[in-house]
Amino acid sequence: KNEVEQSPQNLTAQEGEFITINCSYSVGISALHWLQQHPGGGIVSLFMLSSGKKKHGRLIATINIQEKHSSLHITASHPRDSAVYICAVISRYGNKLVFGAGTILRVKS
Amino acid sequence: EPEVTQTPSHQVTQMGQEVILRCVPISNHLYFYWYRQILGQKVEFLVSFYNNEISEKSEIFDDQFSVERPDGSNFTLKIRSTKLEDSAMYFCASSEEMNTEAFFGQGTRLTVV
Repeated sequence: KNEVEQSPQNLTAQEGEFITINCSYSVGISALHWLQQHPGGGIVSLFMLSSGKKKHGRLIATINIQEKHSSLHITASHPRDSAVYICAVISRYGNKLVFGAGTILRVKS
Repeated sequence: EPEVTQTPSHQVTQMGQEVILRCVPISNHLYFYWYRQILGQKVEFLVSFYNNEISEKSEIFDDQFSVERPDGSNFTLKIRSTKLEDSAMYFCASSEEMNTEAFFGQGTRLTVV
């Protein structure tokens, strides 16, 4: 069983739509990252959170530690948001990131 | 804004050759990492490095791999005798402290032919 599961695997949205990407994990964690990967391959950190909610522009990330679940929301989606969004967790007992498989998001204009 | 830089961006090498992938972490960061992503697969942890020694490594990080911080700024990953299955994107990352936000480089695409 994968330690980090993301859903959906693929998501196509119309410009302006509200988008939610989900992440569930099975291990105890100290923190969770949401990352963005563009077609060129580079990885950009969007959020790191260990409780509650964080907001940056049109992006909102929430985490429920008891339920071992996090969500990434994008409000007023735009074609430039098209990318792979990856959830990764830091295990409570180590320092490495364990990655989910990613969600491929395509926003159409 | 400080960033992690990796060189080269793309390296093609013959099977059996040694390669060195280079990274310059953010200057005040203390923890350094290498990850890899085989095409179409998820990102996998290779190794973490702190205080001039390996703090954790994965099963992938076998004897053909080594890491080094040869001076105050560079952090390198050496693959001694490359195999076809080493072809992947290799990412370097750094963080200020343990369990703080990790910042990634743009990656080095390694192609073994």
